[in-house]
Amino acid sequence: DAGVIQSPRHEVTEMGQEVTLRCKPISGHNSLFWYRQTMMRGLELLIYFNNNVPIDDSGMPEDRFSAKMPNASFSTLKIQPSEPRDSAVYFCASSRGQAPNEKLFFGSGTQLSVL
Amino acid sequence: KQEVTQIPAALSVPEGENLVLNCSFTDSAIYNLQWFRQDPGKGLTSLLLIQSSQREQTSGRLNASLDKSSGRSTLYIAASQPGDSATYLCAVKTSYDKVIFGPGTSLSVIP
Repeated sequence: DAGVIQSPRHEVTEMGQEVTLRCKPISGHNSLFWYRQTMMRGLELLIYFNNNVPIDDSGMPEDRFSAKMPNASFSTLKIQPSEPRDSAVYFCASSRGQAPNEKLFFGSGTQLSVL
Repeated sequence: KQEVTQIPAALSVPEGENLVLNCSFTDSAIYNLQWFRQDPGKGLTSLLLIQSSQREQTSGRLNASLDKSSGRSTLYIAASQPGDSATYLCAVKTSYDKVIFGPGTSLSVIP
């Protein structure tokens, strides 16, 4: 299996522009997570989906952030408009299910820089 | 609200030493605890997962323990090597899906 695939690996954009991050979870995994990592705040859970349905989006910082999962093999995280404080590494992760023995698998992340 | 802390924040040891990393969590109602490794510029790799009903897990030179009642876990690394240098994060699963991470311990193993 190719693992969790994220694109792009790096994104540099100007303040005010729309940014879309993409994720393909591991085939057969039905839970998908978006995390943001910064030096100051560490790894923060933004939102997670189960069977393509958003379960908890309480970590989404504000209305400028939105996430979708139109099918089991694809998810997007969109920031519109982007701001310099959104600069961070955004990770997507997936797991096979909700059982206590299911591990979490991470993608390589998208390094976002908003100028 | 579940909070996860890790001590120390950074650790530097000479090659060959055994070492212990600590993780604490505030709410003992967890489904499992995972230890991850993160190399610079990379994603996280799961090292060990301990279910709430288990006390420890072992993989090679790594041993993780869990004391749910006290809200603590330790990651023991035996005979450390320079290749072990990385950031180690613990994470607790607090419900069916929610996973909360600690801030990590940055480990440097000096040849």
